[in-house]
Amino acid sequence: EAGVTQFPSHSVIEKGQTVTLRCDPISGHDNLYWYRRVMGKEIKFLLHFVKESKQDESGMPNNRFLAERTGGTYSTLKVQPAELEDSGVYFCASSQGAGGLTDTQYFGPGTRLTVL
Amino acid sequence: AQSVTQLGSHVSVSEGALVLLRCNYSSSVPPYLFWYVQYPNQGLQLLLKYTSAATLVKGINGFEAEFKKSETSFHLTKPSAHMSDAAEYFCAVSGGWQGGKLIFGQGTELSVKP
Repeated sequence: EAGVTQFPSHSVIEKGQTVTLRCDPISGHDNLYWYRRVMGKEIKFLLHFVKESKQDESGMPNNRFLAERTGGTYSTLKVQPAELEDSGVYFCASSQGAGGLTDTQYFGPGTRLTVL
Repeated sequence: AQSVTQLGSHVSVSEGALVLLRCNYSSSVPPYLFWYVQYPNQGLQLLLKYTSAATLVKGINGFEAEFKKSETSFHLTKPSAHMSDAAEYFCAVSGGWQGGKLIFGQGTELSVKP
């Protein structure tokens, strides 16, 4: 069974440009999460999809970030326009079940975003 | 609100020595606690999780953790370190009204010396 995949693995862009990150969850997993780790800091939650609906987007830093999950399969996270502080590693995770408190989340390898 | 503190951003042990990675949590409701490991160039992998069934939780690769409510701790241990244990370890909590999202500690990088 394929795990969670993320594309690209690395992205280097200039301030003001747009970047789109993609996450393919494990097949059949209704729950999809986005997290971010800024260098030297803890991994922080961004948002949670259940199928195509946003269940919780309380961690999204500002309106430059747009997440979508059309059709309830893969998800994209767009940053437009990118700022220097957006640099970090963006992780995607997916889980089965009802998105409950004890569900195991399976993580992808992350996308390392560098904004120059 | 939930929070997690991992004591020590870097821990170094000799091969064969005890591994002890510390995690303390803060939670206003009964917590569910997780330990994840990240090997270089890989995603986070679940080592073990506490879901209130038993206070001593055994995980993969010989790791275990004990939930101690009185100390608000969930420390990760392994009796004998192996070179392949070198990685970054994350403690996380979910719970309360925040739903299934995980709240992570800062991470602890474990080095194993031969």
